[in-house]
Amino acid sequence: QVQLVESGGDVVQPGKSLRLSCTASGFTFSNYGMHWVRRAPGRGLEWVALISFDGSETYYADSVKDRFTISRDNSRSTLYLEMESLKVEDTGLYHCAKDLGTTGRWSDPWGQGTLVTVSS
Amino acid sequence: EMVLTQFPATLSLSPGERATLSCRASQSFSSNLAWYQQRPGQAPRLLIYDASTRATGIPARFRGSGSGTDFTLTISSLEPEDFAVYYCQQRSHWPPAYTFGQGTKLEIK
Repeated sequence: QVQLVESGGDVVQPGKSLRLSCTASGFTFSNYGMHWVRRAPGRGLEWVALISFDGSETYYADSVKDRFTISRDNSRSTLYLEMESLKVEDTGLYHCAKDLGTTGRWSDPWGQGTLVTVSS
Repeated sequence: EMVLTQFPATLSLSPGERATLSCRASQSFSSNLAWYQQRPGQAPRLLIYDASTRATGIPARFRGSGSGTDFTLTISSLEPEDFAVYYCQQRSHWPPAYTFGQGTKLEIK
């Protein structure tokens, strides 16, 4: 069955960088788009970024544009989220999720998430 | 900017009852809406997409409807495992971008 396992979450200071990873198994990773979605403490879900099946297209929420970079390594079935210039408001649980198609449909299933805390 | 408003914020019902959850958009769009369920300690899972299509493995008691600005998730007869938080999500066509509602907590009465 499909499994998505996130890693890389940590406690970092504002302004610092962090890279998250999501290792996928149970499906042909290179055939599907992938998303990152986060949930801040006490708040709802916020979509962060989307990458197409082949990595040629990337899309971002306005709140992270120019600071975050989504990428993928299809040979390793791994998705990444490079986060720079981190802000306190970036704190949250970050989930990766498989798209239903090649790019920009719906997210299913999701991983359990990795926790990012941005604090001085 | 698209805003999705879910109501009620909390819905208290008993097993076997019918649940009606609403999601209202600040701007009209077609049927690019999905519903997700999040149980405590679990990741969200897709229930309904394209407003009314059940995702793989989702029981028939879950039904999505609506278009334009008003969408509804109906659970015909609540099972104990249905008590969770439900989110609606809208997708803009181009460029792809997504907005979530703030969630409805469905709790046992």
